[in-house]
Amino acid sequence: DADVTQTPRNRITKTGKRIMLECSQTKGHDRMYWYRQDPGLGLRLIYYSFDVKDINKGEISDGYSVSRQAQAKFSLSLESAIPNQTALYFCATSGAGNQPQHFGDGTRLSIL
Amino acid sequence: RKEVEQDPGPFNVPEGATVAFNCTYSNSASQSFFWYRQDCRKEPKLLMSVYSSGNEDGRFTAQLNRASQYISLLIRDSKLSDSATYLCSRGAGSYQLTFGKGTKLSVIP
Repeated sequence: DADVTQTPRNRITKTGKRIMLECSQTKGHDRMYWYRQDPGLGLRLIYYSFDVKDINKGEISDGYSVSRQAQAKFSLSLESAIPNQTALYFCATSGAGNQPQHFGDGTRLSIL
Repeated sequence: RKEVEQDPGPFNVPEGATVAFNCTYSNSASQSFFWYRQDCRKEPKLLMSVYSSGNEDGRFTAQLNRASQYISLLIRDSKLSDSATYLCSRGAGSYQLTFGKGTKLSVIP
């Protein structure tokens, strides 16, 4: 089983719909992150959380919200999806300090 | 200057060649660096961590030059399976949030 699991893996939806992407981890890490990746733009940080009561905006948080339901769960919501939110979304986790991040398999989201 | 910059490539090299990529960073407070490998439309996977001057793992060597603020990744005896995009990332203080856009490597038969 994967240590960092994202659901769904693929999603096609329409403009204006509310969408939730979920991430769960079994690594026991306190820190969790959501990124989006677009061709030519690399990984861009949307939100991150250092523990259950900590939520921080990243580089591109507008149009997104998150919820850290438990140490192991971090969900990303698009309240009203728009086509330019079409992208590949990754969840990642890390331990405290200067530790590397571990990524989920990604969610491919298409908004029509 | 962006926090982490990489030459996007592509680097097209023949099998068996040695290839090196650089990654420059602007924040001198950076304490740790990481190289990730990413296959097309897949998740980044950690390749190497660099906490001091460098690290070596088989055909892969990472070196850190703090004076010039760059890290390098050297791949010896390139294999076809090394074809991927290589991302570097820096950490500073308590978190690691900054990735380069990646360097694309194609190893040609």
